[in-house]
Amino acid sequence: GEDVEQSLFLSVREGDSSVINCTYTDSSSTYLYWYKQEPGAGLQLLTYIFSNMDMKQDQRLTVLLNKKDKHLSLRIADTQTGDSAIYFCADLPTFGAGTRLTVKP
Amino acid sequence: DGGITQSPKYLFRKEGQNVTLSCEQNLNHDAMYWYRQDPGQGLRLIYYSQIVNDFQKGDIAEGYSVSREKKESFPLTVTSAQKNPTAFYLCASSIDPAGTGLGNTEAFFGQGTRLTVV
Repeated sequence: GEDVEQSLFLSVREGDSSVINCTYTDSSSTYLYWYKQEPGAGLQLLTYIFSNMDMKQDQRLTVLLNKKDKHLSLRIADTQTGDSAIYFCADLPTFGAGTRLTVKP
Repeated sequence: DGGITQSPKYLFRKEGQNVTLSCEQNLNHDAMYWYRQDPGQGLRLIYYSQIVNDFQKGDIAEGYSVSREKKESFPLTVTSAQKNPTAFYLCASSIDPAGTGLGNTEAFFGQGTRLTVV
């Protein structure tokens, strides 16, 4: 079946950029998604990208999609302590294991 | 307010008992999903349903059962056959119009139910 993989941890300093990477195996999906989970809560949609796009920018968030390599990334500019959370890459209904982002002051 | 509601937020049960987790949505979504979340393992799909009175097993359906008698509701029963039931359970829904295939629209999540079996 489908497999979505991402690294488990990322630590950055406040004000730096964060880049979270994801690889997937199924190439038929129309959309790919990034979700954010704060402690003890459900998942909230952060952003998504249509499969025929290479890049999508939404304020501090930039999503890059390389369909040839089946690679998706999420860049958070000017990372803040409030961005500390777990970030999930999703090729619905399959999710990656989540990347725990820690932002140090 | 439109949304998806899971109840209760915390649930405790004794080993060997069945327990049912509630999930209700008023978004008029056709598709509903149940996921289980364990630390460091992300979300694993238990069951999903694309339409009323129909549902399919996900990757880890053993020890679980579901029903979809109404569009708004997709309850999950954790049976005594589930070997490690203690986990965080998340319900989601999406529009998933017929013909586009499962998973091609955004999924909205409930706030989760943390089940502890002692």
